[in-house]
Amino acid sequence: QKEVEQNSGPLSVPEGAIASLNCTYSDRGSQSFFWYRQYSGKSPELIMFIYSNGDKEDGRFTAQLNKASQYVSLLIRDSQPSDSATYLCAVTGYALNFGKGTSLLVTP
Amino acid sequence: SQTIHQWPATLVQPVGSPLSLECTVEGTSNPNLYWYRQAAGRGLQLLFYSVGIGQISSEVPQNLSASRPQDRQFILSSKKLLLSDSGFYLCAWRRVGELFFGEGSRLTVL
Repeated sequence: QKEVEQNSGPLSVPEGAIASLNCTYSDRGSQSFFWYRQYSGKSPELIMFIYSNGDKEDGRFTAQLNKASQYVSLLIRDSQPSDSATYLCAVTGYALNFGKGTSLLVTP
Repeated sequence: SQTIHQWPATLVQPVGSPLSLECTVEGTSNPNLYWYRQAAGRGLQLLFYSVGIGQISSEVPQNLSASRPQDRQFILSSKKLLLSDSGFYLCAWRRVGELFFGEGSRLTVL
């Protein structure tokens, strides 16, 4: 069983702060890693993906990957109330294996 | 650009009734298609995936089935729904490694 683990939260951060979301995975052979955002009652939408160790930045979002530690994270800088959502970590198999998600609440 | 559509968006069904959820993809050919379910308090569970017409792989043995009668059409069915079938059903297609979801179908079984 390929496991993807996330802290369910909720993670509460004040507006303007950095939100840090973490994910660990069990399959050492995994090659690709994805972060999705899911608003309540809506389908998940892709935020970004990362394939290589290190950091990848896209606007206010930074994904970090450490394959040796089997750890991937998502940083959201200058958090906004509109960032309040559940963030899903996903790891490649023949499909994507998803974690249960971390609920993020950004308070004004 | 590619788009994916699901319907119906919401449905309430009694236990033991049949189910049919439909998904179509536009703007691409021979897509890999997936059905996921998201139950309350649980993560996204892969139910079925298909790499082509008539080719279905099942991940979880249960009372659900899937069919792919056309290249860009993927159907999820059940002959008799159970209470445990309630959830948010998501169809998705895959481009390279990325997965893109439809709007979802929320099923409540009473």
